[in-house]
Amino acid sequence: QSVVTQSPSASGTPGQRVTISCSGSSSNIGSNFVSWYQKLPGTAPKLLIYTNNQRPSGVPDRFSGSKSGTSASLAISGLRSEDEADYYCAAWDDSLSALVFGGGTKLTVL
Amino acid sequence: EVQLVESGGGLVQPGGSLRLSCAASGFTFSSYEMNWVRQAPGKGLEWVSYIHNSGNNIHYANSVKGRFTISRDNAKNSLYLQMNSLRAEDTAVYYCARDGLRGFGFDYWGQGVLVTVSS
Repeated sequence: QSVVTQSPSASGTPGQRVTISCSGSSSNIGSNFVSWYQKLPGTAPKLLIYTNNQRPSGVPDRFSGSKSGTSASLAISGLRSEDEADYYCAAWDDSLSALVFGGGTKLTVL
Repeated sequence: EVQLVESGGGLVQPGGSLRLSCAASGFTFSSYEMNWVRQAPGKGLEWVSYIHNSGNNIHYANSVKGRFTISRDNAKNSLYLQMNSLRAEDTAVYYCARDGLRGFGFDYWGQGVLVTVSS
């Protein structure tokens, strides 16, 4: 059981906006930056968001991140079939002195 | 072009050892912090270890502390993970990742290497 929790699944139809949430505590999300990763089967994870809401170059602006208190969210607008993947949040945990990943959310595009 | 290429994976018996390597190219390796992340079959991502540019600051996940050792050779542009006392639950694809963006933003990843611990 991860110290950072995510809903195991989410879904949406093409063109829709979906939100994936990540819940932590004062020792991780509450006091440190959150990053988000996309993971497709058989491929390396891809960084989507860093420092809560910044996109690396090349990541479409359909992806956006936010953080409030001990929770963070990843929003995907204009959903596409190629967005079907697993999504993970991550934050440093001061109590554990470790980076913690959420358990992951499997996004299905219906 | 930034490239990270892992090697050294394979099948090992429980209690055995393995050393993973990650060869970096296309950037100034000594300027970046590096990490190892793994994914067990059917499971989520799990951070394993972090090492500062200089090698002087290191952190481990509790699950590997005392068994795994991260190191780097900046002259050889290489990152390593020495894995001892391996257990079945260490079976996973292991990725090296460059800590290139603020706040543990891992901007480049290797292709991953499979480690299987089984008798």
